[in-house]
Amino acid sequence: NAGVTQTPKFRILKIGQSMTLQCTQDMNHNYMYWYRQDPGMGLKLIYYSVGAGITDKGEVPNGYNVSRSTTEDFPLRLELAAPSQTSVYFCASSPIPTRAGAKNIQYFGAGTRLSVL
Amino acid sequence: LAKTTQPISMDSYEGQEVNITCSHNNIATNDYITWYQQFPSQGPRFIIQGYKTKVTNEVASLFIPADRKSSTLSLPRVSLSDTAVYYCLVGVLSGAGSYQLTFGKGTKLSVIP
Repeated sequence: NAGVTQTPKFRILKIGQSMTLQCTQDMNHNYMYWYRQDPGMGLKLIYYSVGAGITDKGEVPNGYNVSRSTTEDFPLRLELAAPSQTSVYFCASSPIPTRAGAKNIQYFGAGTRLSVL
Repeated sequence: LAKTTQPISMDSYEGQEVNITCSHNNIATNDYITWYQQFPSQGPRFIIQGYKTKVTNEVASLFIPADRKSSTLSLPRVSLSDTAVYYCLVGVLSGAGSYQLTFGKGTKLSVIP
């Protein structure tokens, strides 16, 4: 009964370092998302994917890259970490809506808390 | 892309009914309205979703007026465990499958003993 699993839970990076945040889901959902949440703020969409091999930018994509080679996995890559990327990162997934505008119920992971110093 | 506006915070005593309203003036005709709950150090969790009129489940009710420019999440008889941040979310799905979602800043509900 895993749902959406994110690793690592915590990470500290130095400025300029790179890392990959891992996200995997076992619900066979086609849609997957990456959000960031700054302290006291709402979630902002970084990237999303509607299926394997298909990704698109969200509201705040700069400084990040994603790939979607399988239905299960949706890793988020930070190439040159900056202090502005200090945040909590959430991965989520949802099934294909059955019709336009239909249910967009997303299932979230527990998050990765990232600090860039 | 539809945007949402919610009160930043609300306080309530235990046992009271709490109503949180979200404004979404530019909602598209095919948008659903979804509400999530988030506890500290956890990811958001789905509460309820609706398109129009009223929807009720085991934890909440959702009221949506005819013009759909706002929605109200109603939590009956809140307890201390309902202290959380509540997000209203409106999404848009295009015919080509493009999917854009934006969460607002949320409403921090504090339940007082």
